[in-house]
Amino acid sequence: DTGVSQDPRHKITKRGQNVTFRCDPISEHNRLYWYRQTLGQGPEFLTYFQNEAQLEKSRLLSDRFSAERPKGSFSTLEIQRTEQGDSAMYLCASSLAQTGLADTQYFGPGTRLTVL
Amino acid sequence: SQQGEEDPQALSIQEGENATMNCSYKTSINNLQWYRQNSGRGLVHLILIRSNEREKHSGRLRVTLDTSKKSSSLLITASRAADTASYFCATREGTYKYIFGTGTRLKVLA
Repeated sequence: DTGVSQDPRHKITKRGQNVTFRCDPISEHNRLYWYRQTLGQGPEFLTYFQNEAQLEKSRLLSDRFSAERPKGSFSTLEIQRTEQGDSAMYLCASSLAQTGLADTQYFGPGTRLTVL
Repeated sequence: SQQGEEDPQALSIQEGENATMNCSYKTSINNLQWYRQNSGRGLVHLILIRSNEREKHSGRLRVTLDTSKKSSSLLITASRAADTASYFCATREGTYKYIFGTGTRLKVLA
């Protein structure tokens, strides 16, 4: 399967702990996105990478959140000092920066975070 | 902020019937997309309609776009139980930021 993969699929943590999620995009895709989705809502944009450069970041992304894509391939999203309000599904998506294709995003299965 | 707002929030129909859901958005767009999300396959891109298009078809899907009303509709014809899912519209704000609506939860009864 050559789709977008995310790891872990589920994470349960205690409030105050740090967590890190990984996303592996489709190999030739140079665009990578992180979203957060809570129950009954649509995905909410968090950040965007083109290759290794982080070009867009939501104002909703507090300083406890950081994302990296060091070699322009996989990406990590870290949440420090987790809070119960961080409980959500974290989705990763990728797309190809090519005219006519860039807006079509391919999503991973998500990482469900539960903060106790 | 959620730019797209879907209507209705939930829809329940019998297999074989058509399902129509609507999306309204707030700012000017280059294109609008529809995605489907179910528990088995996650979020899947269905169709993209550009701002200079008024209607687009893909299989049993028909999408319309009215830029003067800032609205779009998704029609699923001859629905099947497998169409049971949440459907979201998405638009691009600026260059890289995508805004998804709150979704329509469709249930197709066999």
